Amino acid sequence: AQKVTQAQTEISVVEKEDVTLDCVYETRDTTYYLFWYKQPPSGELVFLIRRNSFDEQNEISGRYSWNFQKSTSSFNFTITASQVVDSAVYFCALSGVGNQFYFGTGTSLTVIP
Amino acid sequence: GAVVSQHPSRVICKSGTSVKIECRSLDFQATTMFWYRQFPKQSLMLMATSNEGSKATYEQGVEKDKFLINHASLTLSTLTVTSAHPEDSSFYICSARDLGLAGGGVGIADTQYFGPGTRLTVL
Repeated sequence: AQKVTQAQTEISVVEKEDVTLDCVYETRDTTYYLFWYKQPPSGELVFLIRRNSFDEQNEISGRYSWNFQKSTSSFNFTITASQVVDSAVYFCALSGVGNQFYFGTGTSLTVIP
Repeated sequence: GAVVSQHPSRVICKSGTSVKIECRSLDFQATTMFWYRQFPKQSLMLMATSNEGSKATYEQGVEKDKFLINHASLTLSTLTVTSAHPEDSSFYICSARDLGLAGGGVGIADTQYFGPGTRLTVL
């Protein structure tokens, strides 16, 4: 079965703090993709990253970084020096090649100025 | 690149009327589009997968006669909520799957790019 778990429902941090959003997944596929999306209050889901199952290299993009560990089936997302504009709901998702997406329940991040 | 539009962004209608929502991939062709429904503070619930030129595939529990999906071209899918009732009020989001640069797309392969959503309120 395909499943994505985001155990953190809500997180609040003070501006400039670092924050890590957890994502744990389950799949029987040997080839799969993992994603993170951001949903600001406006509602539109913004694509942040896609990671292939065969590529465990961590990735950094500005203040964002992602840690993919197959051994623990985790794909965690860290925001460094958080800003108010980072306040949003963040969704982790899983898909097999060409198959549908399985979304986690989302983590609502509030950055307090 | 990989921009998806959705229209209208907000609609209020009376109970019993039908509402059509359009989803367009603006700068790439999408053989597959998806329709989701999202309730407040909840995750996305997949309603159906829309394939260009063929019938949509509906998820279990989604009434295909109530939520009509048409994917007539490689850039347009429509969702029609027929005989809408207050319980159909929700946030509807579409997405389009990009085939990636190798497949003639503009984004990352096998990635869903989402429209801005349509907030439907049925009175």
